[in-house]
Amino acid sequence: GQNIDQPTEMTATEGAIVQINCTYQTSGFNGLFWYQQHAGEAPTFLSYNVLDGLEEKGRFSSFLSRSKGYSYLLLKELQMKDSASYLCAPMDSNYQLIWGAGTKLIIKP
Amino acid sequence: DGGITQSPKYLFRKEGQNVTLSCEQNLNHDAMYWYRQDPGQGLRLIYYSQIVNDFQKGDIAEGYSVSREKKESFPLTVTSAQKNPTAFYLCASSILTSTGVETQYFGPGTRLLVL
Repeated sequence: GQNIDQPTEMTATEGAIVQINCTYQTSGFNGLFWYQQHAGEAPTFLSYNVLDGLEEKGRFSSFLSRSKGYSYLLLKELQMKDSASYLCAPMDSNYQLIWGAGTKLIIKP
Repeated sequence: DGGITQSPKYLFRKEGQNVTLSCEQNLNHDAMYWYRQDPGQGLRLIYYSQIVNDFQKGDIAEGYSVSREKKESFPLTVTSAQKNPTAFYLCASSILTSTGVETQYFGPGTRLLVL
């Protein structure tokens, strides 16, 4: 079957760094997406990885290891506005996204 | 302004009533999707359409219907057969490329509540 595993909730301090992990099992693989979703709002696209390694985009970076079925999202210099849920979504062999329940990130001053 | 619009933002349904959620995009995207989101769960795919006049069932299509008569529009009808319709409904669109991989962009969502 297809499965996504992310921590349900994480807490971090403003200005710090946090790493949100995601492990996945899918039928085939065509890359992995990360989305940010603020409470009551729609998800917004953050990053896409299809090859192993780290992709950096400003304060946010995303890492992928296809052999391990593992990805992480790294958020640096945390700001209060980063309080949100972060959704990991690998794409299967049918090019359909498989969505995790998301990790709720709480930023404290 | 290019984007995806959904209306209404909140919708109330009475027992036995069909309701239609609107989704419009002016991004010239080929593919459109409907998801349902419940608290503590991942997004679940209801229906998707890759071209006009064609659509496919997702994982939880029962109790829902769609149409794709225009590229810009992909309305979702929640029928009375859907016994637990209370949820946050999200519409998304994406450009279909030759690689088969596209990024989905979401509308603001419609929250459906049953009276």
